[in-house]
Amino acid sequence: EDQVTQSPEALRLQEGESSSLNCSYTVSGLRGLFWYRQDPGKGPEFLFTLYSAGEEKEKERLKATLTKKESFLHITAPKPEDSATYLCAAYQGGSEKLVFGKGTKLTVNP
Amino acid sequence: DAGVIQSPRHEVTEMGQEVTLRCKPISGHNSLFWYRQTMMRGLELLIYFNNNVPIDDSGMPEDRFSAKMPNASFSTLKIQPSEPRDSAVYFCASSLALGEQYFGPGTRLTVT
Repeated sequence: EDQVTQSPEALRLQEGESSSLNCSYTVSGLRGLFWYRQDPGKGPEFLFTLYSAGEEKEKERLKATLTKKESFLHITAPKPEDSATYLCAAYQGGSEKLVFGKGTKLTVNP
Repeated sequence: DAGVIQSPRHEVTEMGQEVTLRCKPISGHNSLFWYRQTMMRGLELLIYFNNNVPIDDSGMPEDRFSAKMPNASFSTLKIQPSEPRDSAVYFCASSLALGEQYFGPGTRLTVT
């Protein structure tokens, strides 16, 4: 069964304290690994798409990387405004169905 | 572009009533998705359409749920009759085929 598992469930950081979020996946024929950010009361906001192992993408303080079994979202020198729930998702083989992880709730304290 | 538009943003109804949620996808996108999000189960796909045709409705919980997409710019998700366990946030998303999905702001449904 295709699965996406995120860890940790919650992470508290001090402003400026860098860290990484993990997303492990077991999806046959991966055709895209997606990262989203979700703020309370809002819909998930698209951040990155990764297609192949070794690929990296960056946006401001965020960098997403992909291996054959997992993806990492690295957060460098985070600020309080980076506080949100970060979701990863992968296309289920042979369909347009995105399988989502349950997310990591990130809190950055000033 | 206005993004994905959903209405209503909040819906409170009594058990047994019919509920209709509405979605307008991003213009030009050919796939539309309905999701439900709860604390316990996270984000779950209910049904998706491609070029207005339902492709996979295996996530629809039971016959009380139905979805339609009469044209490329409008879709509805209907629950009849509603039950308290249907309380959740319902999201609509749209995409170009196998591209990133863009989500609407969601409808928070409370069934008492």
